Amino acid sequence: AQKVTQAQTEISVVEKEDVTLDCVYETRDTTYYLFWYKQPPSGELVFLIRRNSFDEQNEISGRYSWNFQKSTSSFNFTITASQVVDSAVYFCALSPWNTGNQFYFGTGTSLTVIP
Amino acid sequence: DAGVIQSPRHEVTEMGQEVTLRCKPISGHNSLFWYRQTMMRGLELLIYFNNNVPIDDSGMPEDRFSAKMPNASFSTLKIQPSEPRDSAVYFCASTFLGGAGTEAFFGQGTRLTVV
Repeated sequence: AQKVTQAQTEISVVEKEDVTLDCVYETRDTTYYLFWYKQPPSGELVFLIRRNSFDEQNEISGRYSWNFQKSTSSFNFTITASQVVDSAVYFCALSPWNTGNQFYFGTGTSLTVIP
Repeated sequence: DAGVIQSPRHEVTEMGQEVTLRCKPISGHNSLFWYRQTMMRGLELLIYFNNNVPIDDSGMPEDRFSAKMPNASFSTLKIQPSEPRDSAVYFCASTFLGGAGTEAFFGQGTRLTVV
């Protein structure tokens, strides 16, 4: 079974605080890809990052960082020094190699950054 | 590239009417997905195509829904007859099957309201 769980439905933080969005996935495939997408209030889904199952290196991009741990099947996303513009719904997604490019999305975490 | 193009952006229709949503994927992409997003159910995969062939339509709610992809540059999602519970945002996404975990690119969505 393929499944992505984002246990945090809603998070509120005050501007400049750090925040971590959790993502736990389930798959029996050994080759898979993980993604994070952002959906701002305007509604479009914006790709943020892709990770393959063989690369557990953490990645940092500006204020964003991602922690991939296969041992715990987690792919968490941290925003450092949050800003109001970070307010959005964030989705984690799984794409196992053997499913013909199908994407399995979590239910999303709604982040509100309070000025 | 203009990205994934969906039309219309907004659609309001009366119950019982036929609704057709349109999608133009990114040129060169050979996988296309239709998703539905609601508050209650989040992002649901309705159907996806690889090389214009429907691969998995198990997410299509019922026979009122149908999707076609007559060529690599165009897809439609039709609802006939529409019902108020079909009100949602419908997203089309495309990607390249065969690429190493290529991310899916989403259109801006069609907000459907059935009254």
